[in-house]
Amino acid sequence: DSGVTQTPKHLITATGQRVTLRCSPRSGDLSVYWYQQSLDQGLQFLIQYYNGEERAKGNILERFSAQQFPDLHSELNLSSLELGDSALYFCASSPQQGSRGELFFGEGSRLTVL
Amino acid sequence: QQQVKQSPQSLIVQKGGISIINCAYENTAFDYFPWYQQFPGKGPALLIAIRPDVSEKKEGRFTISFNKSAKQFSLHIMDSQPGDSATYFCAASRDNAGNMLTFGGGTRLMVKP
Repeated sequence: DSGVTQTPKHLITATGQRVTLRCSPRSGDLSVYWYQQSLDQGLQFLIQYYNGEERAKGNILERFSAQQFPDLHSELNLSSLELGDSALYFCASSPQQGSRGELFFGEGSRLTVL
Repeated sequence: QQQVKQSPQSLIVQKGGISIINCAYENTAFDYFPWYQQFPGKGPALLIAIRPDVSEKKEGRFTISFNKSAKQFSLHIMDSQPGDSATYFCAASRDNAGNMLTFGGGTRLMVKP
């Protein structure tokens, strides 16, 4: 158990809909990262937050947004969903912004868009 | 410039054999190279990592070999066991990018008993 909690574990929705994925980082970790894992593209970095502020942005679509709240949990919002958004979405946390230690990943949220 | 290429995509090894997974990177600013192991239904977990100031790092049956001039690094799993069957990801990061990791495409390893 990594200590990172993601909900929901599975989500099935229709095209055009909006969903919110939630992540609770390990106790004390200030940084949260979101990754998308699809069959053909591996693990793609989406966005990073550190202590409530956006720190880095990767290949995140404009239809997607995220935020980190004062209690350090984070939410990833996916809107106007398309079939191609079906993937595993992972949240990871680490203790501090500049740390070169490991990322601790949750078990992921599997999104299926029909 | 951010790409990390990993091969093979899948690998089947007999129990007791050596599993070898290779990665190549383009961005010379990368200076931290971890390997993550992912079991089905779980998130990736750090297995072993190396910095470019050393050419090899060994932890138990797992060894990373690093070739800075070729911009390549590899994971060797000695005496592979069925319990090693998982997907392995190489990754890389830059010093000024904190812990943002760029991952390779993954290698699905199956170790046959």
